[in-house]
Formats: sequence, structure tokens, C-alpha cells
Amino acid sequence: KNEVEQSPQNLTAQEGEFITINCSYSVGISALHWLQQHPGGGIVSLFMLSSGKKKHGRLIATINIQEKHSSLHITASHPRDSAVYICAVSRDKLIFGTGTRLQVFP
Amino acid sequence: DAGVTQSPTHLIKTRGQQVTLRCSPISGHKSVSWYQQVLGQGPQFIFQYYEKEERGRGNFPDRFSARQFPNYSSELNVNALLLGDSALYLCASSLRWGHNQPQHFGDGTRLSIL
Repeated sequence: KNEVEQSPQNLTAQEGEFITINCSYSVGISALHWLQQHPGGGIVSLFMLSSGKKKHGRLIATINIQEKHSSLHITASHPRDSAVYICAVSRDKLIFGTGTRLQVFP
Repeated sequence: DAGVTQSPTHLIKTRGQQVTLRCSPISGHKSVSWYQQVLGQGPQFIFQYYEKEERGRGNFPDRFSARQFPNYSSELNVNALLLGDSALYLCASSLRWGHNQPQHFGDGTRLSIL
């Protein structure tokens, strides 16, 4: 069993929909990262959080340390949000999930 | 300020050859980490360097080595290349040591082994 599990693996949405991507982990962590990877390969860091909730524009990330679970929400989704979203947890190294591929259609 | 830069962007090698990948961190960042991302999977940690010293190593064979220079740039070397080394190699920099720091990633070097 992977230490970091994401769901769903693939997600298709219509423009304007509210989107939720989930991340569960099985190890103790010092922080959790949400990352965005576009087809070219480059990765952009969206959030790093260790408790509670963070918001940046249309993106919201939450974490529940007791339940070892985090969610990434996208409000009013747009085709430019199409990308792979990756959850990673901080221990003695970063441990990554396999990603959620999101496609938003106009 | 420039972001993390990696070179080359693409590289094709044959089995048994050796390769060197380069990474320049964001100005002021002293920590550089290397990751391997095989198609369809999440990245896997290879090395972290901070202040020119290795601070962490992932589960990779000794064919993989790295170093960090006084200007904090870094090189990743892979010897005796195997087909399975085909991957996107990502570099990330951060201000300080440790993985609970915001990580800034480069666009990666795509390595293909024939």
C-alpha cells in the first residue's frame, strides 16, 4: 500500500463546476504539499500546510491531521485548471502521491 | 528573479552511457533536491543537498550521485544508464534544509534511454 493515496485518479468536469481532490496518508508528517503539474512537466507549488485551511484565489486546501486526510478544492473550475494535481507529504523526504489528472471542458 | 533552471531540457542516451544533469536554484536558496518521475507515476526522491553537503538520499543505486557547488547550483550524475532510467528528472530548491519548506521546482530534464 502506498504511503500517500489520491482519489480520484482521473476527473472530468464542465467549466464552472466545483471540484474536490482527496489525499490520504498513512505516516506521520510535518507538512503536506499540493502541487500542480502541466503537460510539459514543470511543477508549481500551490500550498504547503500543516493544519487547518488555506485559500488562494479559487483554490482551497484543507487538512485534518487526526484523520490523515487533505482535500484540494477548486471553485468555478476553468479549462486552464486542466493539469495533474499531486499531493506530497513531508517526512525525512517528500513522498508523493501518483496524482489526479483533471480535465475541465468548456 | 529567475526561477529554478534545469539543463538540458531533453536528452537522449544509450544504455551504458553516463549523463550529467544541471540545476540552478532560485537566488538565495541554499537547498537543492533531485527527483525522478517515471511516466504515469509521482516523483521519487533521489537526493537533497544543503550548504554543499548531502542531507538525504532516496532508495536509488550507487550509479546515481550528485554534488552541490559553492554557488548552490547542483549536478546529478547517472552512470551505466539502464532503460529504466528513462524519466523526467526534477530539481527543486528551497531556502533552508528540510522538506517542510516551500519547494520551488524547475521544468525538469526529460531523459530517454535507447
